[in-house]
Amino acid sequence: GNSVTQMEGPVTLSEEAFLTINCTYTATGYPSLFWYVQYPGEGLQLLLKATKADDKGSNKGFEATYRKETTSFHLEKGSVQVSDSAVYFCALVRGSTLGRLYFGRGTQLTVWP
Amino acid sequence: GAVVSQHPSRVICKSGTSVKIECRSLDFQATTMFWYRQFPKQSLMLMATSNEGSKATYEQGVEKDKFLINHASLTLSTLTVTSAHPEDSSFYICSARISGTGPNEQFFGPGTRLTVL
Repeated sequence: GNSVTQMEGPVTLSEEAFLTINCTYTATGYPSLFWYVQYPGEGLQLLLKATKADDKGSNKGFEATYRKETTSFHLEKGSVQVSDSAVYFCALVRGSTLGRLYFGRGTQLTVWP
Repeated sequence: GAVVSQHPSRVICKSGTSVKIECRSLDFQATTMFWYRQFPKQSLMLMATSNEGSKATYEQGVEKDKFLINHASLTLSTLTVTSAHPEDSSFYICSARISGTGPNEQFFGPGTRLTVL
């Protein structure tokens, strides 16, 4: 089946620290991979995506590389800010499922000044 | 572009009443919309897939008679929680897929917080 496993949080960092949130997936075929961010009380926003192996998605200083050999899509940022505090979700979609997203459990990130 | 709205953003109701939540794609047509439920500090759980002009497809364990979904047009899907009870209190989020595009083109609404007293 299709599933996404994320590192459990919460993750607490000081401003300007390096961030890694691990994500691995199980899927048949060749899924597309996503990171979504959810700020308090809001819906989800697409942060970045990658649609094929070795693609690197990037946005707002965040990066993630689609690694087929390790079935991973880890999220990284070199220097986090207080405004990055949110919940981050890793997700996948397969073309045959007409857009159905499979989400990880989410990782709460808190950044202190 | 590609904005999805939900209405209301918050609703508080008494136990036993029904609540309707609207999900609209404001600047695109959406053949397919998805309804999710999110409990505090947990991930999103897909409830159903809503296709314009046809019956919704419900996930296992989701009561179709309790969570009525109607997708009457290419820009509107509604979720009605019938005879709501406190355990139905949750954050409901919809997403919409742009018609005629691949599965990657999906956009989320801001969510509706339902509290049943």
